[in-house]
Amino acid sequence: KQEVTQIPAALSVPEGENLVLNCSFTDSAIYNLQWFRQDPGKGLTSLLLIQSSQREQTSGRLNASLDKSSGRSTLYIAASQPGDSATYLCAVRMDSSYKLIFGSGTRLLVRP
Amino acid sequence: ETGVTQTPRHLVMGMTNKKSLKCEQHLGHNAMYWYKQSAKKPLELMFVYSLEERVENNSVPSRFSPECPNSSHLFLHLHTLQPEDSALYLCASSQDRSHSWLFFGSGTQLSVL
Repeated sequence: KQEVTQIPAALSVPEGENLVLNCSFTDSAIYNLQWFRQDPGKGLTSLLLIQSSQREQTSGRLNASLDKSSGRSTLYIAASQPGDSATYLCAVRMDSSYKLIFGSGTRLLVRP
Repeated sequence: ETGVTQTPRHLVMGMTNKKSLKCEQHLGHNAMYWYKQSAKKPLELMFVYSLEERVENNSVPSRFSPECPNSSHLFLHLHTLQPEDSALYLCASSQDRSHSWLFFGSGTQLSVL
């Protein structure tokens, strides 16, 4: 059974810092992995999607990497801003099913 | 209006009430989903519809009844709920099952008294 873990559960950093959020999964036979952002009481916003054949994806200040063999993905945020404060979730899709398996998220606070 | 829209945003209901949650997507996607997000628990997939046919049902209690009348609309009918059903209910859509991104609505925050 696939399990997705995100560490740390919460993170507080000063504005301007570069930071890394971690996601690990127990079954490396994933189809793809997606990173989301969730603001309090709101839905999820898709940030990046990495197919199993890819190593990384970039969007602006965000860079996500994928190492299937070790069961890990990282989300790198450069030059963090207070507006980046949110919960970041990763989710994996196994084979070609519809089901995404989510981690519990990392709650990020960027202090001005 | 674009994206995935959910109504109502907030709902308070008693255990004997019947209510429905509505979701509409304006993205031309073929698949729609209901997810449940409880406090301190990962998102749980409840139902998936692809081209109006239910393709996944994650052992959800029968007091939750989904309906997908067309590829743009999805409902979740609620009856005889329990207080532990209080949660954020999120609707999402995707173009297909494999390569595509998942887009979420803002959710309905449900409180069962």
